Amino acid sequence: NAGVMQNPRHLVRRRGQEARLRCSPMKGHSHVYWYRQLPEEGLKFMVYLQKENIIDESGMPKERFSAEFPKEGPSILRIQQVVRGDSAAYFCASSPPIPGGSYEQYFGPGTRLTVT
Amino acid sequence: AQSVTQLDSHVSVSEGTPVLLRCNYSSSYSPSLFWYVQHPNKGLQLLLKYTSAATLVKGINGFEAEFKKSETSFHLTKPSAHMSDAAEYFCVVSLSNTDKLIFGTGTRLQVFP
Repeated sequence: NAGVMQNPRHLVRRRGQEARLRCSPMKGHSHVYWYRQLPEEGLKFMVYLQKENIIDESGMPKERFSAEFPKEGPSILRIQQVVRGDSAAYFCASSPPIPGGSYEQYFGPGTRLTVT
Repeated sequence: AQSVTQLDSHVSVSEGTPVLLRCNYSSSYSPSLFWYVQHPNKGLQLLLKYTSAATLVKGINGFEAEFKKSETSFHLTKPSAHMSDAAEYFCVVSLSNTDKLIFGTGTRLQVFP
């Protein structure tokens, strides 16, 4: 059973370009989370998605950031018109569909975004 | 609101000596608590988790943590440090009825030979 997969592992974008980060959850997992880790900081929650639904986007910046988890295919975190402050490691996590309780989130290796 | 405070940003120990990484939490509800480890340029690996069962939780690689409600603490310990334990450690809290994880700022553990 493959773990959570993220690609690309490293992404370099110039200011003003778009960044697309992909996450394929573990097999059988229908919950996906995105976190951002700025240099020398802990991870900060961005968004929680289930298939075709955004459940909690309280951590997403209001502008330029969007996320989706379509019925087929990976989850996508999209950052439009990137700025230097978007440079960070972006981690995806997935968990199985267990309602009502806390459960383990399995993390991918992350995508390191550098904006030049 | 929930939060975790990791009291030390850096901890240095000699190989073979005990490790103590401190964490205090704040939560209005019965929390679930986790410790994750992150090796350089790698993803996060779950060390252990507390979900209102036994207060002493044993994890992988010889780590354990004790949930102390009266002290609102969830400190991570290991009797004898190994060089391979050098990494960043995150204390994490989540509510039982929500899903997002709230991370502490991390403790960097250095192990000297």
